[in-house]
Amino acid sequence: DADVTQTPRNRITKTGKRIMLECSQTKGHDRMYWYRQDPGLGLRLIYYSFDVKDINKGEISDGYSVSRQAQAKFSLSLESAIPNQTALYFCATSDLGGGESSNEQFFGPGTRLTVL
Amino acid sequence: QKEVEQDPGPLSVPEGAIVSLNCTYSNSAFQYFMWYRQYSRKGPELLMYTYSSGNKEDGRFTAQVDKSSKYISLFIRDSQPSDSATYLCALGTSYGKLTFGQGTILTVHP
Repeated sequence: DADVTQTPRNRITKTGKRIMLECSQTKGHDRMYWYRQDPGLGLRLIYYSFDVKDINKGEISDGYSVSRQAQAKFSLSLESAIPNQTALYFCATSDLGGGESSNEQFFGPGTRLTVL
Repeated sequence: QKEVEQDPGPLSVPEGAIVSLNCTYSNSAFQYFMWYRQYSRKGPELLMYTYSSGNKEDGRFTAQVDKSSKYISLFIRDSQPSDSATYLCALGTSYGKLTFGQGTILTVHP
């Protein structure tokens, strides 16, 4: 079974709709991240969480919100979707253990979101 | 100016060629230097990880870091069609966050 799972894998929605993307992990990691990927722009950080009570904005948080329901679950919401939020969204996790291992991030398979 | 710049390509090479992928960066606080490989319709996976200037070799892959020039490279020797993917450099500080380059799309044709 995959260590980092994302649901749904694909979603088409309309402008103005509320959308939630979910991420679950079985790696036991404390840190979780949400990124979006656009052609030519690489991966950009939306939000990150270093533990259940810690939520931090990333580079491009406007229009997004998150919820860390448990150590293993981190959800991303688009309260009112707009077409320029059409992108590939990735969840990632990393270990809090310190040293080199705390910097490697493990990615889920991604959610392809289209906003019409 | 972006903190990390990566030539997006695309790059197309024949099988067996040596491939050079590069990133430059501006923030001296970066301490960790990684290369991720992303196949189509998949999430990125860590390929190489270094934290000091110099070279690190793993099979056909060599990661090179030059902190004085703020320049990192990934070399692929004897490239194979299975190496066709997007390659992303990722740089990290001690705070546990990574900053990614734009990604280079590589195609190795038989």
